[in-house]
Amino acid sequence: QLQLQESGPGLVKPSETLSLTCSVSGGSISSSPYWWGWLRQPPGKGLEWIGSISYSGTTYYTPSFKSRITISYDTSKNQVSLKLTSVSAADTAVYYCARLGLGLPFDYWGQGILVTVSS
Amino acid sequence: EIVLTQSPGTLSLSPGERATLSCRASQSVSSDYLAWYQQKPGQAPRLLIYGASSRATAIPDRFRGSGSGTDFTLIISRLEPEDFAVYYCQQYGSAPRTFGQGTKLEIK
Repeated sequence: QLQLQESGPGLVKPSETLSLTCSVSGGSISSSPYWWGWLRQPPGKGLEWIGSISYSGTTYYTPSFKSRITISYDTSKNQVSLKLTSVSAADTAVYYCARLGLGLPFDYWGQGILVTVSS
Repeated sequence: EIVLTQSPGTLSLSPGERATLSCRASQSVSSDYLAWYQQKPGQAPRLLIYGASSRATAIPDRFRGSGSGTDFTLIISRLEPEDFAVYYCQQYGSAPRTFGQGTKLEIK
């Protein structure tokens, strides 16, 4: 059974960089045709897709985040990472990693991690 | 970017009743790549329906998705207590993938 688990600091200071890791078990992140994505959900609000990385390392960043994010992976550790720079209080949210693919929905999700941006 | 508008915002029903949730897209969803997710408090979303009408693994048959183009519907035929949650539609036919704002299904 595929499992995803987010990890990282729960508190980040304004203007700093948010760094999160998604550890995948029960399957390889290098397996075609899957991509691995990051999404977020501000408290009490809806879901927002941040960006994704493919099994071969191709990335897609949504326009809203393109200037501030980097998504990478480490196949030896079977992990996907997210870096979001210059954070503000507006970036406070639960961050999720999820599996997707071309023509495929987000079918497996991590449990999510709450990241608060505050001094 | 495709904007998805869900209605109603909140739906108040009793167990055993039928729920009808709507999702309207600002432009046609390519290949009817429309999914529905259920989210309970403190939990990650769970995939219910993909391709507008296909149930995901282990999803009960009381959940039915339909529609094409710009208008999509999720019907829950007989509400069980565990069905009260927030439901999101999401399109994955065009980048960026976008979500509706959600419909909260609450117990009447």
